[in-house]
Amino acid sequence: IQLTQSPSFLSASVGDRVIITCRASQGINSYLAWYQQKPGQAPYLLIYDASTLQSGVPSRFSGSGYGTEFTLTISSLQPGDFATYYCQQLNSYPLTFGGGTEVEI
Amino acid sequence: VQLVESGGGLVKPGESLRLSCAASGFTFRNFGVNWVRQAPGKGLEWVASISSDGNYINYADSVRGRFTVSRDNARSSLNLQMNSLRAEDTAVYFCARDRSSNYYGCDYWGQGTLVTVSS
Repeated sequence: IQLTQSPSFLSASVGDRVIITCRASQGINSYLAWYQQKPGQAPYLLIYDASTLQSGVPSRFSGSGYGTEFTLTISSLQPGDFATYYCQQLNSYPLTFGGGTEVEI
Repeated sequence: VQLVESGGGLVKPGESLRLSCAASGFTFRNFGVNWVRQAPGKGLEWVASISSDGNYINYADSVRGRFTVSRDNARSSLNLQMNSLRAEDTAVYFCARDRSSNYYGCDYWGQGTLVTVSS
């Protein structure tokens, strides 16, 4: 299953609303996770099951979607949110990640 | 919860390497675990998964037949035996724990160990 993230690069400002899209090449139910990764660090789970916020993750992050179309929304971008974001499908093996979306100032 | 990878290094094409991941702070035998890699400057690539009891194992096509994942629940450790290494296997290798189910992503990750395959 291929995951296509868009955009691959996004330039935004603090306070902006940011929407990242992840499209699956076939239906994956709601088995999609979103991660944030900063340079030199491991990925950090933000959202699982398409829309469930991982414990400790700020509520400005939200996820939605089902089947083949998914979105990650950051309602008001904060300085610590500048990072690369990845989606991952967990519906079937081989598990796959999207190509990533780099969010830059 | 802590996951600490070890065993990375510089090897030549065709050689072997064994990575380990030491887990602590949780009941290791209750969780599935995964290996995920990231080539320099590239995105994330899932490598392998092993269920909590070790009975269910899956591999990426790119490593199937060359890599073997195993776990020792008594020692709370995860291993990745990598044979016939290629230049394209060069990456940081992360071990990561399933959140609560293999459908819900990975909630804890190690910091990674770098594997470099070069002549």
